[in-house]
Amino acid sequence: EAGVTQSPTHLIKTRGQQATLRCSPISGHTSVYWYQQALGLGLQFLLWYDEGEERNRGNFPPRFSGRQFPNYSSELNVNALELEDSALYLCASTHFGMNTEAFFGQGTRLTVV
Amino acid sequence: GQQLNQSPQSMFIQEGEDVSMNCTSSSIFNTWLWYKQDPGEGPVLLIALYKAGELTSNGRLTAQFGTTRKDSFLNISASIPSDVGIYFCAGYGSGNTGKLIFGQGTTLQVKP
Repeated sequence: EAGVTQSPTHLIKTRGQQATLRCSPISGHTSVYWYQQALGLGLQFLLWYDEGEERNRGNFPPRFSGRQFPNYSSELNVNALELEDSALYLCASTHFGMNTEAFFGQGTRLTVV
Repeated sequence: GQQLNQSPQSMFIQEGEDVSMNCTSSSIFNTWLWYKQDPGEGPVLLIALYKAGELTSNGRLTAQFGTTRKDSFLNISASIPSDVGIYFCAGYGSGNTGKLIFGQGTTLQVKP
């Protein structure tokens, strides 16, 4: 069974541009979580989607947005990129959305120059 | 908001030693998860705990769900060089917000 997959693996963007990151959850999982991990730091909660709806949002500006598609895959968009957006962006998926095991993808390394 | 405090922040130990780390919160958690992350990779789930007092093992790893539901512990016995990495605790808080939050991580270094 395929795990959580994220694309692209690496992404280099210029300040002010937009970045789109993608995540495919484990088959049968309906929930997708997004996290930002700056170099050497912990995981900061960004967004949680379940059944196509945004269920919860972390303390990030509105230029961080996303969506979940009918097949439960998800997209994270970051507009007006800033240098401090450079980080590893991680996606995790779970069953049913609450209180269950969450499995991570390998992450997308976003570098803003 | 709900927060997880993980300690120690880092550990440097000799191969063969046992390791212990813990996670605490000021509020009740319904589920505790422990992950290991290698540099540049996504976290890998090690152990999941669902009941207060639960003690679960995975090879040389043992984790416990605290009886107060506000803490959890992870122990690694007879450490080996490949145990090097960052260990995170994570949990779903009460109130069914569904938000999975993480501790700050414990960086483990093992000297052969």
